[in-house]
Amino acid sequence: QVQLQESGPGLVKPSETLSLTCTVSGGSISSYYWSWIRQPPGKGLEWIGFIYHSGSTNHNPSLKSRVTISIDTSKNQFSLKLSSVTAADTAVYYCARAEPRSDAFDIWGQGTMVTVSS
Amino acid sequence: QSALTQPASVSGSPGQSITISCTGTSSDVGSYNLVSWYQQHPGKAPKLMIYGVTKRPSGVSNRFSGSKSGNTASLTISGLQAEDEGAYHCCSYVGGSTYVVFGGGTKLTVL
Repeated sequence: QVQLQESGPGLVKPSETLSLTCTVSGGSISSYYWSWIRQPPGKGLEWIGFIYHSGSTNHNPSLKSRVTISIDTSKNQFSLKLSSVTAADTAVYYCARAEPRSDAFDIWGQGTMVTVSS
Repeated sequence: QSALTQPASVSGSPGQSITISCTGTSSDVGSYNLVSWYQQHPGKAPKLMIYGVTKRPSGVSNRFSGSKSGNTASLTISGLQAEDEGAYHCCSYVGGSTYVVFGGGTKLTVL
């Protein structure tokens, strides 16, 4: 079955760029929306953005200018870069798959905690 | 785009039924039959329980059901079990650059 795994630094300094990668195993990276979603400690979920296998992207307008999402289909990976981070970006970051017809996130990675602190 | 509104907490005894509401607007919940619900246990990733307002993914118990009326979607859990305890998040398609919006989450306690 398809599994997702996030990887990347757990600590990022303020004003620097947060970089995470999600590796897709057990299936193809085609035909789905591959998303990043985050959850600040004790709070709800926030959609960050997604990328389609073609490379087309969409980002949450509240974060758009700081977000870059890319995909490497040869490695079955997609990545997130979030620039100019502040303490407000401290959260568990999840990668997830959405089926375009249902727009529901049916498969999630385990999540990775990223703390923004000097 | 504002988050969907959910009650902070609900509780029920084993065997009872509970309902969690998720209120949006005519621009999200009210416009699309694309509401999904997620169960999240502490320290774990969310799990899809309902999609398309009423549909259950394979493997999800039929004790979980979804509905919608106007701008409010609801998740009902019947025959409450201890393992149902956790947080529940609703999500609605919005379209355009916003794509989806989540609710703030509801903590379910099984007494």
